[in-house]
Amino acid sequence: QMQLQESGPGLVKPSETLSLTCTVSGGSISNNNYYWGWVRQPPGKGLEWIASIFYTGSTKYNPSLKSRVTISIDTSRDQFSLKLISVTAADTAVYYCASHAIFDSFDPWGQGALVTVSS
Amino acid sequence: QSVLTQPPSLSGAPGQRVTISCTGSTSNIGAPYDVHWYLQLPGTVPRVLIYRNNNRPSGVPDRFSGSKSGTSASLAITGLQAEDEGDYYCQSYDSSLSGWVFGGGTKLTV
Repeated sequence: QMQLQESGPGLVKPSETLSLTCTVSGGSISNNNYYWGWVRQPPGKGLEWIASIFYTGSTKYNPSLKSRVTISIDTSRDQFSLKLISVTAADTAVYYCASHAIFDSFDPWGQGALVTVSS
Repeated sequence: QSVLTQPPSLSGAPGQRVTISCTGSTSNIGAPYDVHWYLQLPGTVPRVLIYRNNNRPSGVPDRFSGSKSGTSASLAITGLQAEDEGDYYCQSYDSSLSGWVFGGGTKLTV
């Protein structure tokens, strides 16, 4: 059974870069059926899709975040990563990684990583 | 403001039937791209409740059902139970945005 696990700093200063990594186990990130994505949830608010990447490196970004986001993949390590630059308090959220086929549901999800933007 | 519109909150008594709507447009639900539903219990990770409009993963009771028509979709819950209390989200793909979209979420109180 495939599992995903987020890792990265829990505290980032305003204007700096948020970096998170998702490690995939129990399956190969090179599976050509799946995208690997990031979804975030600010405290008390709803889910927001951030970006997704295919094993080939093909990427899709939420237009509202595209100018600040980079998603990348390392198939040799079964990991994919998220970078969000110039963060503000509005970027404080639980960040989830998840896998999904292009038109299918996001499943499974990682446990989530709370990232707080504060000085 | 979410691309997919859900009622912010709903409530129902135990045993009742409730329906949660998810309204989109011709670039997502009406395109037609599949709709998926998630339940997020307090303090937990969202989990799939319904996938591809009307399919239940193993372990999801048949009290939960999904439907889709035109640019809208619905999640129906019959025989409401206290354990159904949580946040429900719909999700689809949007061709205009070339990406995936979630509804704003519906908080169900039992």
